[in-house]
Amino acid sequence: QVQLQQWGAGLLKPSETLSLTCAVYGGSFSNYIWSWIRESPGKGLEWIGDITQSGMTSYNPSLTRRVTISLDISMNQMSLRLSSVTAADTAIYYCARGSRCSESYYRRMGSCKTYFGPWGQGSLVTVSS
Amino acid sequence: EIVLTQSPGTLSLSPGEGATLSCGASQSVSRSSLAWYQQKPGQAPRLLIYGASSRATGIPDRFSAGGSGTDFTLTISSLEPEDFAMYYCQQFDSSPWTFGQGTRVEI
Repeated sequence: QVQLQQWGAGLLKPSETLSLTCAVYGGSFSNYIWSWIRESPGKGLEWIGDITQSGMTSYNPSLTRRVTISLDISMNQMSLRLSSVTAADTAIYYCARGSRCSESYYRRMGSCKTYFGPWGQGSLVTVSS
Repeated sequence: EIVLTQSPGTLSLSPGEGATLSCGASQSVSRSSLAWYQQKPGQAPRLLIYGASSRATGIPDRFSAGGSGTDFTLTISSLEPEDFAMYYCQQFDSSPWTFGQGTRVEI
């Protein structure tokens, strides 16, 4: 059974870069989309972006200028970086496995329709001066 | 982007009662592109149902989903104590994938 465990810095100052890592246990990155989602009191649940095994990415347009999602296949880990954070980026950040998706479909369509499960345990990130 | 609006905000019920939660979309969503999640305090959301009515692994059959177009429902046939939680819908018909704001089911 696939399990996701995540970690990263929990307190940032405005303008710093958020960095989180998610390790996947009991499975590999093959054949699935891998995603980051965040949850805040103001915006609720918000999809940040996703990545395929080959490293193709798709991001929420509201965040695309500041976000980078990457994979380390050898470590079975996925990472999220969000630059120039502000208080509005204060949230619980989750990694999650997305839907099954072929690389060729993702390449052709630019993304795969995806729901999310299972999820990591969440990482609270607070941005405060 | 597609905005999902869930109603009611809070549903106050007793164990054994049935629950119907609604999710309305700002534009038509394919029935096969809607998912439902359950979230308990301090926990990550858990996938309940995806596609038209496919239950995720380990989800009991008292949970079912329906609807089409812009109106969708999650039905819990008979509430168990562990079902009192927040519930979210999510559309994956059109990127960016979006979530509703949630319905709280409370005792």
